[in-house]
Parts: sequence; C-alpha cells; structure tokens
Amino acid sequence: QKEVEQDPGPLSVPEGAIVSLNCTYSNSAFQYFMWYRQYSRKGPELLMYTYSSGNKEDGRFTAQVDKSSKYISLFIRDSQPSDSATYLCAMRVSGGGADGLTFGKGTHLIIQP
Amino acid sequence: ETGVTQSPTHLIKTRGQQVTLRCSSQSGHNTVSWYQQALGQGPQFIFQYYREEENGRGNFPPRFSGLQFPNYSSELNVNALELDDSALYLCASSPTPGTESGYTFGSGTRLTVV
Repeated sequence: QKEVEQDPGPLSVPEGAIVSLNCTYSNSAFQYFMWYRQYSRKGPELLMYTYSSGNKEDGRFTAQVDKSSKYISLFIRDSQPSDSATYLCAMRVSGGGADGLTFGKGTHLIIQP
Repeated sequence: ETGVTQSPTHLIKTRGQQVTLRCSSQSGHNTVSWYQQALGQGPQFIFQYYREEENGRGNFPPRFSGLQFPNYSSELNVNALELDDSALYLCASSPTPGTESGYTFGSGTRLTVV
C-alpha cells in the first residue's frame, strides 16, 4: 500500500460545477497537508496549506483534513476552464522539512466550457 | 529576478553517463529541495539543502548527489545514469526549511536517458 493514495482520473466536470478531490494516507504521523496545482510542462504551484485537522478556505478553494479517517479533500467552487490541471496532494511529518513532502499521484481535472 | 529557475529545460543522456542539473533559488530563499517526477506520478523527494548542508534525504541511492552554493543556488548530480532516471526533475526553494507557504517550485528539467 502506497503512503498516499489519489485517484489519477481524469475527472471531467462542466464549468460552474463544484469539484471534490480527495486523498487517503496511511502514515498517522503526517501533520502538514498541502494541495498543489500543476499545469502541463510546469512545476507544482501551492494552493492550500493546512496544519493538522480542520478546514481552510481561500476564495473558491476549501481544504479539509480529517486525521481520524486519514482523509483530505479539496473543494473547488464555481469551477472554470482555467482550473483544468493536475491536482497533487502532499503531506509531511516534520516541521523542519528534512523529511520532504510525500505526494499523491495527482488527479487530472478537466473543466468543460 | 523572482521565482525559481532551472537549467537546462530538456536534456538527453546515454545510459551510464553523468548529468548535472542547476537551480537558482528565489530571492531571499535559503533552502532548496530536489524532487523526481516520473511520467504520471507525483514528485518524489530526493534531498534538501539548507545553508550549504544536506539536511534531509529521501529513498534515493548515493549516485544522486547535490551541492548548494553560498548564493543558495544548487546542483543535482546523477552518476551512472539508468533508463529509469528518465523523469522531470524539480527544484523547490523556501525562505526557511519547512515553510510551506513559501515553497516555490521551478518548471523543472526533463531528463531522458536512452
């Protein structure tokens, strides 16, 4: 079993829909949770960063972390064609960063105009 | 110049050769991390450098090595290239270790080993 599981998709939804992206993980020591967006031929771009459990909202994006279920989610409201990209979840144990980030495979999202 | 820049953007090497990839960190950032992203996979952590010292390493063999310079730029060196080393190599910088809010990735170097 991989440490972080993420459905690779593709996930195709119509413009304006609410998108739900999810990851599950097995290492209960993970404390820092992130969502990155990656466009083709580009590096990942940080969207959301959450420490421990709870919700965080930023504009059209909401991140949720449920440590008891080892499950994290990213919701995108009023989805736009420009949101079409690969979305990567990432997580880390330590605050110092020396263990690096553990990423999921990424979900390929397509927003249909 | 802002942002993380990596060079070269593309590279083709022969199995058994050695390669050096370069990264200029974002202004004000003193920590650099390197990741390998195979096609269709998420990035995998190779190592992190802070103040010119390696302070963290993922599950990669010793033929993957690095350097960080006084200006915080960095190099990734890979010896004895294997076909499985073909991937996108990403560099990320941050103002201090573990500061995710400032973790900026470059666009990567695509390495093909033939």
